Amino acid sequence: RKEVEQDPGPFNVPEGATVAFNCTYSNSASQSFFWYRQDCRKEPKLLMSVYSSGNEDGRFTAQLNRASQYISLLIRDSKLSDSATYLCVVEGSGAGSYQLTFGKGTKLSVIP
Amino acid sequence: GAVVSQHPSWVICKSGTSVKIECRSLDFQATTMFWYRQFPKQSLMLMATSNEGSKATYEQGVEKDKFLINHASLTLSTLTVTSAHPEDSSFYICSAPGWAGGHYGYTFGSGTRLTVV
Repeated sequence: RKEVEQDPGPFNVPEGATVAFNCTYSNSASQSFFWYRQDCRKEPKLLMSVYSSGNEDGRFTAQLNRASQYISLLIRDSKLSDSATYLCVVEGSGAGSYQLTFGKGTKLSVIP
Repeated sequence: GAVVSQHPSWVICKSGTSVKIECRSLDFQATTMFWYRQFPKQSLMLMATSNEGSKATYEQGVEKDKFLINHASLTLSTLTVTSAHPEDSSFYICSAPGWAGGHYGYTFGSGTRLTVV
């Protein structure tokens, strides 16, 4: 099983749509969780951290289910500028503490 | 928020030469810097972790004599790709933990696209 697994997509959605991305991770001892977005040929940019209580930042909502080792990201009212690859990132524990493990990313295309 | 400045953005070099990539933390001290490599359509893979004032820790399969890392100060970490070969062509990116936009996470440099010909 891959350490961090995401549906690669692509997700092609119209403007204004709501889209949800899922991610699973294999290391139950993982400490922290993040969603990043990466534009083509650019560096990843932090979108938000993910907490067990769930957190919301504008149109973006992230959820963490530790029991199921599952992370989600919900984007409401999609904008053209949301088109990017969304990376699920897990911060490890043990010998590799603070080590980030990246999913391969889910590509989102918002179409007019 | 935390900013990591990475240079150069892109470089083309001849096979057998060495290339140095610099990452500077601006307005914060980066005691730890992570170095990643990303091949097309692949996820970022951690190469090594550098800590200020000590030797870098390399991931399995990464040759420490080929990818030299120096973290001599709290604001500068460098990665030198020695005797580069075409298979070393990739997107190299550094990252340091810090605060950005009200969230704690890892701030990335803008990346260096290395092409070895």
